Amino acid sequence: DSGVTQTPKHLITATGQRVTLRCSPRSGDLSVYWYQQSLDQGLQFLIHYYNGEERAKGNILERFSAQQFPDLHSELNLSSLELGDSALYFCASSLDLGVGLHEQFFGPGTRLTVL
Amino acid sequence: AQTVTQSQPEMSVQEAETVTLSCTYDTSESDYYLFWYKQPPSRQMILVIRQEAYKQQNATENRFSVNFQKAAKSFSLKISDSQLGDAAMYFCAYRSGRKNYGNKLVFGAGTILRVKS
Repeated sequence: DSGVTQTPKHLITATGQRVTLRCSPRSGDLSVYWYQQSLDQGLQFLIHYYNGEERAKGNILERFSAQQFPDLHSELNLSSLELGDSALYFCASSLDLGVGLHEQFFGPGTRLTVL
Repeated sequence: AQTVTQSQPEMSVQEAETVTLSCTYDTSESDYYLFWYKQPPSRQMILVIRQEAYKQQNATENRFSVNFQKAAKSFSLKISDSQLGDAAMYFCAYRSGRKNYGNKLVFGAGTILRVKS
């Protein structure tokens, strides 16, 4: 158990819908990262939040958005869902003071299926 | 942009034998970190081993060791005395060491490791 929790574990929805994925980082970790794992794109970085502020963006679609709340949990919102959005979405957390080697601890992932 | 290449989609090893997984990366940076992650059928991402680019000594963690060749931009993973529990997808990952750059991981495509009994 990495200490990172993600809910829900599985999500099945229809095209055009909107969903919210939730992540609680390890106690004390200030950074939250979101990654998408799909068959055709592999593991891709989506977005990074540090202590409530967006730090970096990857190949995140405009239909996707995220935020990190004062209690440091994070939500990834996916809207106007398409079949191609079906993937495993990981959240990872780290202490991330900006320097040095800080391990990212991954949550168990949320499996999203868009029908 | 940095890229990570794993040229072996799939590898097999006999139980108790040794196997080496390959990884190459492309970067213009001098300060960075490299990782190997294991993803078993449960899909959980588990850190296996990590290497700081400024360290010449290869990292080792029990049966897992790396061969880090900085000039060649190569970072292979050696698993000794392979066990059935080692069967998984293995990902090589790169992280920039630049301060305030963000710490995103750039992953390779992965190598499926099968362990035969």
